[in-house]
Amino acid sequence: QVQLQESGPGLVKPSQTLSLSCSVSGVSISSGTFFWNWIRQPAGKGLEWIGRIYTSGITSYNPSLKSRVTISLDTSKNQFSLKLNSVTAADTAVYYCARLSIAPRHKGGWFDPWGPGTLVTVSS
Amino acid sequence: QSALTQPASVSGSPGQSITISCTGTNNDIGTYNYVSWYQQHPGKVPKLLIYDVDNRPSGVSNRFSGSKSGSTASLTISGLQAEDEADYYCCSYTSTVPYLFGTGTKVTVL
Repeated sequence: QVQLQESGPGLVKPSQTLSLSCSVSGVSISSGTFFWNWIRQPAGKGLEWIGRIYTSGITSYNPSLKSRVTISLDTSKNQFSLKLNSVTAADTAVYYCARLSIAPRHKGGWFDPWGPGTLVTVSS
Repeated sequence: QSALTQPASVSGSPGQSITISCTGTNNDIGTYNYVSWYQQHPGKVPKLLIYDVDNRPSGVSNRFSGSKSGSTASLTISGLQAEDEADYYCCSYTSTVPYLFGTGTKVTVL
């Protein structure tokens, strides 16, 4: 059974860098079959896709966040990470990591499973 | 790019069927058959219900079904049950973002 678990500071000061990790169990992130994603949800609001990384290290980011986001892999720990710099209160949200599956010869895909999420608050 | 458009709320009585719409553009739903739907109970993690427009993962009740017409995708819940009361989100692959979620729909079971 594949499981994901987010970890990282729950409080970040404005203008600093938000750093989160997602530990994956039950499958190797090097398997080459899946993409690994970050998604966030401000309290009481909808979901926003942040970005994804493939086993090759190729990344894709939401254009609205692209200038501030970096997603990376650590295959030795079977985890991937998110860095979001120059944060403001608008970045306060529950951050989820999720696996993206794509059917052969397709472009899109679906997010499953998801980690339990971690609340990150941006405040001084 | 703005979120896909969903009705803020939909309600129905137990046993009834309801349909949630998800409207996009030719940059997303209108071009690609990569629409997925998620159910989220309060304080819980989103759960995959439908993928690639009309495919249901194993373990998901067959009361949930998906479809698409033009730039609008739909999720139908038949035989509405109290446990279906939750928020529902659509998501589509797009030519720009590349993944865009809907605004979310709160389903109330009367």
